[in-house]
Amino acid sequence: SAVISQKPSRDICQRGTSLTIQCQVDSQVTMMFWYRQQPGQSLTLIATANQGSEATYESGFVIDKFPISRPNLTFSTLTVSNMSPEDSSIYLCSVAISEVYGYTFGSGTRLTVV
Amino acid sequence: AQSVTQLGSHVSVSEGALVLLRCNYSSSVPPYLFWYVQYPNQGLQLLLKYTSAATLVKGINGFEAEFKKSETSFHLTKPSAHMSDAAEYFCAVSAPPSTSGTYKYIFGTGTRLKVLA
Repeated sequence: SAVISQKPSRDICQRGTSLTIQCQVDSQVTMMFWYRQQPGQSLTLIATANQGSEATYESGFVIDKFPISRPNLTFSTLTVSNMSPEDSSIYLCSVAISEVYGYTFGSGTRLTVV
Repeated sequence: AQSVTQLGSHVSVSEGALVLLRCNYSSSVPPYLFWYVQYPNQGLQLLLKYTSAATLVKGINGFEAEFKKSETSFHLTKPSAHMSDAAEYFCAVSAPPSTSGTYKYIFGTGTRLKVLA
């Protein structure tokens, strides 16, 4: 399975600022996914990042708030823009080799907005 | 539409006792089902998966799960709990590809397992 390096592992940010989270995979993958895990809750898919095309956002998430880059098959970034305390969550990058094999997750970025 | 229900947000067992974490699913197509574990301050790790082969699936760390179509269940079990099993466990079902062709997973709300000494 793929190995994912995600950074930063945690950050404390001021409201109104932006944070970019990086996700590096040790092999080429077609699809990368970004999830949010709010305190005490399950995972919610933010968007799917495909190389060479615009990211596909889930209902309730917009590109202006969560811009995503996917410059190649091993790397992606998620930016959380104009942050508010409600954005305090764990953000997780993941990849899937195929539907059958399930996801591999990064270790997550724990974001606190003050 | 696909959905997953995990009964019991918190489960406590004694060390050495049976672990049973419940997961029921709803799917309009034959599902792929997964269990993930999340240790504190870490990402999710795949425990096991059901992909329409054997209904009894064995995973890592002594866990197993049985797919029961008649009950639409995929409960996770372990015969003897260990202190190191304390973690959050998530059940997930795969959803058919969206119009964009990408597949995605629906996660349950999670069950936090506490193991008592």
